[in-house]
Amino acid sequence: SQTIHQWPATLVQPVGSPLSLECTVEGTSNPNLYWYRQAAGRGLQLLFYSVGIGQISSEVPQNLSASRPQDRQFILSSKKLLLSDSGFYLCAWSVSQLAGVSSYNEQFFGPGTRLTVL
Amino acid sequence: GQSLEQPSEVTAVEGAIVQINCTYQTSGFYGLSWYQQHDGGAPTFLSYNALDGLEETGRFSSFLSRSDSYGYLLLQELQMKDSASYFCASDSNYQLIWGAGTKLIIKP
Repeated sequence: SQTIHQWPATLVQPVGSPLSLECTVEGTSNPNLYWYRQAAGRGLQLLFYSVGIGQISSEVPQNLSASRPQDRQFILSSKKLLLSDSGFYLCAWSVSQLAGVSSYNEQFFGPGTRLTVL
Repeated sequence: GQSLEQPSEVTAVEGAIVQINCTYQTSGFYGLSWYQQHDGGAPTFLSYNALDGLEETGRFSSFLSRSDSYGYLLLQELQMKDSASYFCASDSNYQLIWGAGTKLIIKP
């Protein structure tokens, strides 16, 4: 069965500090991978998605970046955090088109990282 | 632009039926998904409608009308554990466009 890991669960960082959040998926190959941010009481904002190794699409201009160094690893980074970067960060995966059945509509989420920037 | 509109909050009584509506305006629309998210947790997939009509999965049903750009999630025999936020989302170009979510409050 497929599982998705995301860490850390909570993080408190000072403004201007760097950030690295990691997400790994097990039990599937070549998944589509996503990074979302959710502000308290709000919907999900798509930050980045990836359909393959080294392929990253950015949806929102920001001081965050993403990388996919391995097929099932997705990393969210920042060189200098801003107060506005606080939020609940969620990693998700979906079955890729290469698997024969495209399924962007059904995404599986990790447990999330609650980031507070002070 | 692309947007999905849903009520911010809905209140219902345990054991009752509740409907959460979603209207959308998106380009390249393929279908409408519904997700549930409990406080502090991650969203979990509930249902997907690619075609017009009703899809039933246990106590939950989801409906889509492409001509009206409208869908809804129907929850029957409400239980306290159904207290959560519910999101509609449309899939388009490798990604989901999400509504802001509807907080379902259930009273005993």
